[in-house]
Order: sequence, then C-alpha cells, then structure tokens
Amino acid sequence: ETGVTQTPRHLVMGMTNKKSLKCEQHLGHNAMYWYKQSAKKPLELMFVYNFKEQTENNSVPSRFSPECPNSSHLFLHLHTLQPEDSALYLCAVRAGGLEDTQYFGPGTRLTVL
Amino acid sequence: AQKITQTQPGMFVQEKEAVTLDCTYDTSDQSYGLFWYKQPSSGEMIFLIYQGSYDEQNATEGRYSLNFQKARKSANLVISASQLGDSAMYFCAMRGRAGTASKLTFGTGTRLQVTL
Repeated sequence: ETGVTQTPRHLVMGMTNKKSLKCEQHLGHNAMYWYKQSAKKPLELMFVYNFKEQTENNSVPSRFSPECPNSSHLFLHLHTLQPEDSALYLCAVRAGGLEDTQYFGPGTRLTVL
Repeated sequence: AQKITQTQPGMFVQEKEAVTLDCTYDTSDQSYGLFWYKQPSSGEMIFLIYQGSYDEQNATEGRYSLNFQKARKSANLVISASQLGDSAMYFCAMRGRAGTASKLTFGTGTRLQVTL
C-alpha cells in the first residue's frame, strides 16, 4: 500500500466515449504525475502538476485532459481516444526531500476499442 | 538529456540464488538520483531502492542492494536469496537534481523469472 489509489483499475471504452481516470493520494505531497506505459515501451511522462498547477505537458494530444482540483486528487479526462491509446496509465506522487522518490498507484489498464 | 539503458530483456534465476540486473545511465547533471522499481504482472510500480549520486556507499534495502559505479555510470540491482515472488519486471530510473517537479527517466526494463 503506497498511499496512492487509482480508479478504475480496468476500463474498456469506445472511441467516441468520454471517461475519466482518478488518482487519489493520502501522502500529503505536492507533486503529482501521469505516466503512460504501452507494451514494450518505456514509461512515458504525460503531465506534471506541482501545487495544483500544471508544470509539464509532454506533448500529449488534446484528447487527454488532466485536472488537479486539489492536492489530493488528480484526474485524466479522456475523449475520442484511439486504439493506440490502449495502455496502462499510472499516477505517481513525488515525496520531495533528499531522495525525491516517486510513489506510484496501481494503474488503470485502458483498452480502447 | 538523461538516458537509462537496460540491456537484459529477460533473466532467469533459481530460487535462493542471487541475481544482478544491469543498468547504465547517461546524464550531464552533477547531482542526480537513481531508482529501481519492481512491476509485478498486476501492474503497480513498487519502489525498491534509491542511490544518490553523492552517496559514497552502495544503497541496501533488505535483500536488495545497488552496485553503484559512478565512473562507469552503472547502477546494477542485486537481489540476494531470490524468491518466487521476485518474478516481475524491474525498471531502472533516474532523475536530475532533486527539486520542483523533478522528472524520472525509465529504462525499458528486465523481466526476471525465478525458478524452483
């Protein structure tokens, strides 16, 4: 248990659907991240939020829309996705301090039909 | 730019034996951190161990140790007394200087299979 939860754990959606992924942290840290993990590829950083402000958008298509309403919650809104967007989406929280370790949630496995 | 290279796509080890997973890195930063994560088939990314670039001693966490050779830019993970539950993907990662919104760069991972 890392103190980072993600819902849903699995999601199947059509290309015309709109859905949202949710990340919640109970660690009290200020930096939150979305990563995408596709098969046979390294983790790709998508977005970074620091103190609820987006500080990084790693050239992510606009069909992915993040939202950070408070320091405990991070959302990823999805609309008109493509089959190649099927992947594991991981949320992480940065602990700060000397090590600055990132702790991950269990991920949402997304399948786009 | 930072780069992590893991050259072993897959490794096998017998239960109770030790295994070394290789990781080399490239960075122009003077201060950086190196991490290892374990990812079981369930998908969660589990933090295992951290090594700071200025740490003179190799990091250890239980059965995990990090063989840090700065001049060679390598940060190999050593798992001692392997257990069946160690079967998973293992990722090496690094960040630059600790601070605001520091980012992790990941390698492609090594799949470890522990056999009886």
